[in-house]
Amino acid sequence: GQNIDQPTEMTATEGAIVQINCTYQTSGFNGLFWYQQHAGEAPTFLSYNVLDGLEEKGRFSSFLSRSKGYSYLLLKELQMKDSASYLCAVSPYSSASKIIFGSGTRLSIRP
Amino acid sequence: GAVVSQHPSWVICKSGTSVKIECRSLDFQATTMFWYRQFPKQSLMLMATSNEGSKATYEQGVEKDKFLINHASLTLSTLTVTSAHPEDSSFYICSARDNRGVHSGANVLTFGAGSRLTVL
Repeated sequence: GQNIDQPTEMTATEGAIVQINCTYQTSGFNGLFWYQQHAGEAPTFLSYNVLDGLEEKGRFSSFLSRSKGYSYLLLKELQMKDSASYLCAVSPYSSASKIIFGSGTRLSIRP
Repeated sequence: GAVVSQHPSWVICKSGTSVKIECRSLDFQATTMFWYRQFPKQSLMLMATSNEGSKATYEQGVEKDKFLINHASLTLSTLTVTSAHPEDSSFYICSARDNRGVHSGANVLTFGAGSRLTVL
């Protein structure tokens, strides 16, 4: 089966840094994604990792270790608008775009 | 960038009726689209893969006769919830991949804005 785990909720302070972890056990691996989803809205793409290492994109960075089945999303200089759910997703299939989502982490930013 | 349009944004219907949700790729062609369902405070659960010109592929536990999927063109997929019941009330989201994207080689999906279904 496919299993993707991430914390249910996290709280952080405006201007700080937060790291959201994700572990996965899937039948295959063709990349790991992070999406952001505000309440009642569709998810928006944040990052994609297929090789080990860190991918940096502005205030957001994503790390992957395939041997450990582990990823994290790092958010720097937190802003109130970063309050959202962050979804870790894995493409376990060798073909197409089918991806499986984790349960999501609800991040709350306090002033 | 790629845009996926979903309609309607929200719908309220009576129990026993059928509801159709449309998903369109506006500026690109999508041979494959995906339908997800999301209950409150939960993550997205993949329901089915919609394939242009052929039958949809359903995930385990999803009733294909209840959730009818039609992908008649390269830009349109529809999901029909037949004989809806209150337990079908949920947020339904479609997605598609734009092969022209900057993340070529990555299976980056673009999501529609979602359709909130409430069955009374």
